[in-house]
Amino acid sequence: EVQLVQSGGGLVRPGGSLRLSCAASGFSFSTYWMGWVRQAPGKGLEWVASIRQNGYDEKYLDSVKGRFTISRDNAKNSLYLQMNRLRVEDTAVYYCARDPGWEILTPRFDLWGQGTLVTVSS
Amino acid sequence: DIQMTQSPSSLSASIGDRVTIRCRASQSVSNYLNWYQQKPGKAPRLLIYDASSVESGVPSRFSGSGSGTGFTLTISNLQPEDFATYYCQQTYDTPLTFGGGTKVDI
Repeated sequence: EVQLVQSGGGLVRPGGSLRLSCAASGFSFSTYWMGWVRQAPGKGLEWVASIRQNGYDEKYLDSVKGRFTISRDNAKNSLYLQMNRLRVEDTAVYYCARDPGWEILTPRFDLWGQGTLVTVSS
Repeated sequence: DIQMTQSPSSLSASIGDRVTIRCRASQSVSNYLNWYQQKPGKAPRLLIYDASSVESGVPSRFSGSGSGTGFTLTISNLQPEDFATYYCQQTYDTPLTFGGGTKVDI
């Protein structure tokens, strides 16, 4: 089955760190860009970061640049989001997503994980 | 950053209705425009990419049009499973940005 299964998340204090994981199966993970999108409670969608197939090109939302790091391990078919110096405003459901674009095709998120809640609170 | 503005923010419709949702970009995004559907507690689902191409598996009652700064998502013959929130997204430039969403309810 083609799917993305997320793990990680939880409650963390402001200034703390958390690592999200996303395990891919059923497709050739190493041939796709991948990304993270978040959704604050009751709010809309916000793109967070994207990474190239080989991991050598990363793009970030300005508000997370320098605090969050997107990475991937193609041997393990896994995507990660390391979140440091977390802020209350980072509280959201985080989704990983597959992106067939950026080169021949235009970017789009055509497969999504189930989402994981990150709560930043003291 | 490219701002995406959707209208209306919510609408009420009936089964069988034709529904139109609009999305305006603060600058031209060519046809780098996607539409997603999201139901409560669920991940978004890609409906339309490249402004007018229907994603595989999406019913033909969903269609998209537009280019540059103005886009529309049309749902013809609204079905019970179509009651959801819809988002547009531009991928012309980073940061990738979404519209604020349009909630379609009964």
